[in-house]
Amino acid sequence: AQKVTQTQTSISVVEKTTVTMDCVYETRDSSYFLFWYKQTASGEIVFLIRQDSYKKENATVGHYSLNFQKPKSSIGLIITATQIEDSAVYFCAMREASSGSWQLIFGSGTQLTVMP
Amino acid sequence: EAAVTQSPRNKVAVTGGKVTLSCNQTNNHNNMYWYRQDTGHGLRLIHYSYGAGSTEKGDIPDGYKASRPSQENFSLILELATPSQTSVYFCASGDVTGGTEVFFGKGTRLTVV
Repeated sequence: AQKVTQTQTSISVVEKTTVTMDCVYETRDSSYFLFWYKQTASGEIVFLIRQDSYKKENATVGHYSLNFQKPKSSIGLIITATQIEDSAVYFCAMREASSGSWQLIFGSGTQLTVMP
Repeated sequence: EAAVTQSPRNKVAVTGGKVTLSCNQTNNHNNMYWYRQDTGHGLRLIHYSYGAGSTEKGDIPDGYKASRPSQENFSLILELATPSQTSVYFCASGDVTGGTEVFFGKGTRLTVV
């Protein structure tokens, strides 16, 4: 069965610095998709960025980028030049591509606090 | 922008009562999901669906049923609500083929007393 683990419960950083959030996953599928979502203080959950397992290049969107280490089953989220409004809970998620189940499984989340 | 609407947004139910949480999406997505969110557990998958008429069990289906009567609607049913089912429930939808993201509703806060 697939599994996603985020061991960092909370992280605090100073504004304008870079932060990395960790995520490791388990799957037997040779093809899968990895996602990061953000949950704001209002509770809204929005998609940030995605990595396809067959792609070697790390995905980048705006000031979000990924550190995909396939041999370690790891997909870290990097936020550069952090802003106060980046304070939120960040979830890592995975969906297998060839198993046919299409389950989207989430980690337990990391609370990021960006301080002035 | 994909729209996923959940109703009600807040619900107080009595132990042993029946609760139905509704979800509607207007984007013609095939896949829909129900999650619950509890502190320390993140988002846990309860049930999901591939399309009208289909429901599949997720990681924590016990105590819950699901119904997908149409492409647009996906309901989560608690036949006999218990206090342990007090939580925030999220519905999501997406066209998952090709690995695209899913879109979430705003959540339903359920309190079982």
